[in-house]
Amino acid sequence: EAGVAQSPRYKIIEKRQSVAFWCNPISGHATLYWYQQILGQGPKLLIQFQNNGVVDDSQLPKDRFSAERLKGVDSTLKIQPAKLEDSAVYLCASRRPGQGAPFTGELFFGEGSRLTVL
Amino acid sequence: AQKITQTQPGMFVQEKEAVTLDCTYDTSDQSYGLFWYKQPSSGEMIFLIYQGSYDEQNATEGRYSLNFQKARKSANLVISASQLGDSAMYFCAMREGWAKLSFGAGTTVTVRA
Repeated sequence: EAGVAQSPRYKIIEKRQSVAFWCNPISGHATLYWYQQILGQGPKLLIQFQNNGVVDDSQLPKDRFSAERLKGVDSTLKIQPAKLEDSAVYLCASRRPGQGAPFTGELFFGEGSRLTVL
Repeated sequence: AQKITQTQPGMFVQEKEAVTLDCTYDTSDQSYGLFWYKQPSSGEMIFLIYQGSYDEQNATEGRYSLNFQKARKSANLVISASQLGDSAMYFCAMREGWAKLSFGAGTTVTVRA
């Protein structure tokens, strides 16, 4: 089966510009996550979707970040306007549908989108 | 507040030796899960092992084992017989609730020949 697809792989922008990242999860995976990973740190959860609904966005800087998953399949993460501290890799992950219990298996990650803000 | 703590920023290990990576966590939930992921320099996240809070036995997957000490809230990863390909960043993560996964800061492992 195809893995989690992300694009673009690399993006360089000036501060105050906007950028959008796209993620297409594995087919049939209802739960989708966006993580921000700053160099040398662990991934930080930005937002979690279940189908097209937001489950958790408590750590999303909502004044500049937005995300949507309109049809419950692919998702877009936008940053507007970007700041220097937004330089990071943005990881998308998905998992198989749950079966009425907390998940115990694997999160499948994409290769990430590396953002550099100058 | 930091919920996953990995205190070892970097470790060196000789090839074929075992290495233990420390992870402590903080939660008031009774049901939770602990995961370890590997991230090589290429950047992909590779799932290694899972331990549920109600699992009585420590999880093992090939050369990976998880030393789960619930009372101490620790979930250390043991890699036995280290190989050069084990050189990577290793992340401990905890599932909260049904599906929220939070990661620690990571430990870099360098395997020496």
